[in-house]
Amino acid sequence: DGGITQSPKYLFRKEGQNVTLSCEQNLNHDAMYWYRQDPGQGLRLIYYSQIVNDFQKGDIAEGYSVSREKKESFPLTVTSAQKNPTAFYLCASSIVAGSNEQYFGPGTRLTVT
Amino acid sequence: KQEVTQIPAALSVPEGENLVLNCSFTDSAIYNLQWFRQDPGKGLTSLLLIQSSQREQTSGRLNASLDKSSGRSTLYIAASQPGDSATYLCAVSTYNDMRFGAGTRLTVKP
Repeated sequence: DGGITQSPKYLFRKEGQNVTLSCEQNLNHDAMYWYRQDPGQGLRLIYYSQIVNDFQKGDIAEGYSVSREKKESFPLTVTSAQKNPTAFYLCASSIVAGSNEQYFGPGTRLTVT
Repeated sequence: KQEVTQIPAALSVPEGENLVLNCSFTDSAIYNLQWFRQDPGKGLTSLLLIQSSQREQTSGRLNASLDKSSGRSTLYIAASQPGDSATYLCAVSTYNDMRFGAGTRLTVKP
């Protein structure tokens, strides 16, 4: 069964704590992405990775960090420096970066209190 | 910077009605345009992908058109059903960049 998995579905953290969101894909895609979705807004790009051991900042990278040590995995860490971390986080992948179709995971809802 | 706008933000129709969702974008130099469906609290499901060289794509009751020169795309849903109720998002791609609209929340009433 090919696809993108994100875990956990719901995550609760206290303010000041770092938290890592998992994203795994078995589609053999080179490119992976992290987006943030807030109510009534479109998705905003946090980070993307075109290939293993490479990643680039998106529009709202401040307060977030990523790694891409394996092709299948692209974890996102929400640090205590992120001022408003409560949101719905979506991971996506595409065959290659650029013009190809993106496939999305089911998302993780993070609540920070 | 590409901006993507979807109008209306919400739409409620009776079952069986044909409907059109609109998407507009500011920069016509795009690679492709993609329409997604999102159910509450879920990820995005790709519905249709239109390459920049294409004018339209069809899948079942869905038809998406693209007019690059005017910066517009429409998603036509024929004979709407309650199961079509969801938020529909369009996304426009240039190289290494995909911009999303805020979506249209569709409710189809039985």
